Amino acid sequence: AQSVTQLGSHVSVSEGALVLLRCNYSSSVPPYLFWYVQYPNQGLQLLLKYTTGATLVKGINGFEAEFKKSETSFHLTKPSAHMSDAAEYFCAVTTTEGNQFYFGTGTSLTVIP
Amino acid sequence: DAGITQSPRHKVTETGTPVTLRCHQTENHRYMYWYRQDPGHGLRLIHYSYGVKDTDKGEVSDGYSVSRSKTEDFLLTLESATSSQTSVYFCAISERGWGNEQFFGPGTRLTVL
Repeated sequence: AQSVTQLGSHVSVSEGALVLLRCNYSSSVPPYLFWYVQYPNQGLQLLLKYTTGATLVKGINGFEAEFKKSETSFHLTKPSAHMSDAAEYFCAVTTTEGNQFYFGTGTSLTVIP
Repeated sequence: DAGITQSPRHKVTETGTPVTLRCHQTENHRYMYWYRQDPGHGLRLIHYSYGVKDTDKGEVSDGYSVSRSKTEDFLLTLESATSSQTSVYFCAISERGWGNEQFFGPGTRLTVL
């Protein structure tokens, strides 16, 4: 079975500061990892994904994430926060063994002017 | 944006009444999913479909049933709604099951009084 843990249900950063949202996963087989963003009253939008290959993955809106197998982590970063980044972020894991995603409980990002 | 619509977008109903939520896609994707989103729980899978008339249970399937008679439509039914089923329901689709990102609909906010 797989699982995802997102450390910190709420993160606040100042505009222009580094954004770091943490995600650790558990999987007995090679994982496929995803980050989604959810703006208020909307569905989830894919930010980026890791399946195989390069471990540093770049996504939309300047976000990137690095797959670190030794640390079982897939943290999301952005060098400089923008007010429009305020949203809920979800990490998710799946594998080749099943058809299900396992989502973390989400991290709410607040950007302070 | 992936062509996914959900109807209704908002619904208020009373305990014990049947409720059907509809998900419609125009992407011709094989896989469709129903999730519920609750504070502190992230997204939890209710049921999913891997083809017309092919469905399976997810993590929180009790009290819910689904049907898929056409590729484009996936219905979620609450046979007798309870207050614990008050939630936001999201439909998602994917082209393939494993290792493939899911695209989400806008959600349906259901309140059971």
